Amino acid sequence: TQLLEQSPQFLSIQEGENLTVYCNSSSVFSSLQWYRQEPGEGPVLLVTVVTGGEVKKLKRLTFQFGDARKDSSLHITAAQPGDTGLYLCAPRLGGNEKLTFGTGTRLTIIP
Amino acid sequence: DAGVTQSPTHLIKTRGQHVTLRCSPISGHKSVSWYQQVLGQGPQFIFQYYEKEERGRGNFPDRFSARQFPNYSSELNVNALLLGDSALYLCASSLEGSGGRGGGETQYFGPGTRLLVL
Repeated sequence: TQLLEQSPQFLSIQEGENLTVYCNSSSVFSSLQWYRQEPGEGPVLLVTVVTGGEVKKLKRLTFQFGDARKDSSLHITAAQPGDTGLYLCAPRLGGNEKLTFGTGTRLTIIP
Repeated sequence: DAGVTQSPTHLIKTRGQHVTLRCSPISGHKSVSWYQQVLGQGPQFIFQYYEKEERGRGNFPDRFSARQFPNYSSELNVNALLLGDSALYLCASSLEGSGGRGGGETQYFGPGTRLLVL
């Protein structure tokens, strides 16, 4: 059974600050996805990382997949109120369509 | 084009009752998955259906069942409701639900049905 941990659970910072959230496991994954979920909505896919050590940028968001493909991080530069939401990581074991989500990091950006 | 739609948006039931939740996938998508999201947690996989057949099942009791119709819409049924079934039920659709290509297919989530069991 894979153990998936996201940290921190809650994060509240001022607009303009930088932040990093983490997704860690003892298992090796074929790929990993990050989602953002806003209140009253379903999760929305932000990025998929596949290769160990891979870095992907999406505007002010930088996603990194660990070299061993057991962990990932999401860094946000100059956070804005629109970044507020629940950030979920969802690793994938090869050939398995089922998504297994972490408990998420609830991010609040204070204007 | 419309995204994934779910109905109803909110529902209140009492213990022991039965509930049916509905999902319409994005046009052209043949795979539908159901997830349960309890307050403060990430979504937990319940079922996946593809071409009307169950492709995957999560760790949920037999009180939970689902089906997919010829038009690829889907229903999730929960019998003998318990207080712990209170949650946001999410439906996600994807083209084929293969999961095996690179990072896997993108799943598109609906807004969910919020179920409260009293």
